Amino acid sequence: SQTIHQWPATLVQPVGSPLSLECTVEGTSNPNLYWYRQAAGRGLQLLFYSVGIGQISSEVPQNLSASRPQDRQFILSSKKLLLSDSGFYLCAWSSGRTTGELFFGEGSRLTVL
Amino acid sequence: AQSVTQPDIHITVSEGASLELRCNYSYGATPYLFWYVQSPGQGLQLLLKYFSGDTLVQGIKGFEAEFKRSQSSFNLRKPSVHWSDAAEYFCAVGNSGGYQKVTFGIGTKLQVIP
Repeated sequence: SQTIHQWPATLVQPVGSPLSLECTVEGTSNPNLYWYRQAAGRGLQLLFYSVGIGQISSEVPQNLSASRPQDRQFILSSKKLLLSDSGFYLCAWSSGRTTGELFFGEGSRLTVL
Repeated sequence: AQSVTQPDIHITVSEGASLELRCNYSYGATPYLFWYVQSPGQGLQLLLKYFSGDTLVQGIKGFEAEFKRSQSSFNLRKPSVHWSDAAEYFCAVGNSGGYQKVTFGIGTKLQVIP
């Protein structure tokens, strides 16, 4: 069966520090990968998606970047965090052969102080 | 552009009472519709989905939803709510194909009282 792992679960970082959140999918190959950010009262905002290794698309301009160094690995990064980067970050995957269903990781809570 | 509206941010129901969570969508073609549930501090879990066919779809945990094209709605229902149903519920609209662009509503937080 397929599983998705996301870490760290919780992170507290000072403003201006770097960030790296990692997501790994197991049990499938060539998944579509996504990073969402969830803010209270604002639902889920799609940040990045990837349909293959090294292929990253950004949905909104921001202080973050994403990379996909391996087929089932998706990394969210920042060189210098802002207060506004605080939030709950969710990684998800989907299969190109299915019809839109997303499978989510457990999320990473980032607090920037 | 596709969009989803969940008009109720918070809903409180008594345990054993029926539940209906509202969802309206905007999409240019036949939509792919989803309901997800999120427990506090957790990821999202799919409750049910609609792609085509019967407009009344059954999901996990006793939930169902009805697709009404004329009203652009996909409301979630449960005949008898359990305390464990307290969570946040998200309606979403998406497309098929190699890249699934899924747009979520802002969510409805359900509180269940004894």
